[in-house]
Formats: sequence, C-alpha cells, structure tokens
Amino acid sequence: QEHLQPWGAGLLKASETLSLTCSVYDGSLSGYFWIWIRQPPGKGLEWIGEISHRGGTNYNPSLKSRVTISVDTSKNQFSLEMTSMTAADTALYYCVRGVYDAYSGYADYWGQGSLVTVSS
Amino acid sequence: QSVLTQPPSASGTPGQRVTISCSGTYSNIGSNAVNWYQQFPGTAPKLLIFTNHQRASGVPERFSGSKSGKSASLVINGLQSEDEAIYYCATWDDNPTGRVFGGGTSLTV
Repeated sequence: QEHLQPWGAGLLKASETLSLTCSVYDGSLSGYFWIWIRQPPGKGLEWIGEISHRGGTNYNPSLKSRVTISVDTSKNQFSLEMTSMTAADTALYYCVRGVYDAYSGYADYWGQGSLVTVSS
Repeated sequence: QSVLTQPPSASGTPGQRVTISCSGTYSNIGSNAVNWYQQFPGTAPKLLIFTNHQRASGVPERFSGSKSGKSASLVINGLQSEDEAIYYCATWDDNPTGRVFGGGTSLTV
C-alpha cells in the first residue's frame, strides 16, 4: 500500500505563502490523480484542488486565484502552494490519492494531515 | 455552508439500522457518483463507499450506499460501537466545477 507523507512549514504569518509537498512512497504517480484537501480544526472537509500525473489541474473556484498544484514525477511527489495566507486558512492539509472511474473519480487513500497554523 | 446537505448528527443503539442522508442538486449528486468517508477523531478520513454503492476494500457488508436523483444515503445495518465516527458524503459538481463535500454527520452509538 502506498504511503503519502506531507511535509512543509507548519507555522506561517498572515500574508505569507504556504508550500507543502507530498511524497508518495511505495507507489507510482501514474494511473492516479493527486488531491489536496483541508480540514479546519473541528470543521468539515474542503477540496483545494488536484493534479493528474501528467500535470493537468483542477482547482476549487473559491481558492483558484491563490493556489498552484504541481507534480514532480522524477521525485514521486506533488506540491501545493497557496499565497496570501490568513488565519482562516489554518487547517489540517491532507494529500490524497485519486482514482479514476466512469465519472469524475474519487479520493481513495488519504495521507496523514499536515497541520498548518497561520498567525495574524 | 457545505454544498451537500447532511444531518449534523445521528444516533442508534447496537444492532439497529441507521441511515445517513446526503442531498444536493442536479449539477452534483444528480449528475455524478457519490462517495462516503468515515473519520475517527484525530485520524484521516477513510473511503467507505465509492461510485454510489461499491464498498471499499475491507469495509464490512453492513455498510451500504445508494443514490436516487439528487440524494444519496449511507445505511449501516447491525450498528456496532466501533461505528461511532463522522461520516462525509462527497461528489463532483459540474457547476461550478469541483469536488464537494457534505458537512459531515456525527454518529453516536
């Protein structure tokens, strides 16, 4: 079974840029798409965006202007950049594997979350 | 405010049947498949049901999913204490495009 391990700075100041990377161990990026989902403390899940192993992206319309997701197949990892962070962006950020199906695919395997705290 | 609507809480006693609903619109549930996730406190969500009714690997048969029109349901038969968790429904929305979730239903056994 693949293991997804996110890493990056966990404490940011308001207006800074979040950079997170997810390393995919014991598996390949190809054949799947790769998703970032976040969960504010005590709240529900919010889709940030996703990328195919070839680099095609989809972003949450409400975050699109601030988000860039990229993939590096040579390092078996994918990354998230989110600009202009505010306290409202404080959340657990999950990197997730997506599976293609006859519809729009689904998130099937979730890595551990990476807590990102933004101080004002 | 979540795009998909779930009851915030549900409850049952061991052995009972519990149904968790998830309602949406034509552009999301009405046009796409629904998936369900289970989350225990302090852990990442886990896929329970995909493509409306398919159980993920290792998921007990007492969990089942269905979809009709703009709504979906997760049914747990023979409720067990270890089923106490938060359950989320999810799907793709065609307008605006993107993956959307329900607000989650906290199940108490």
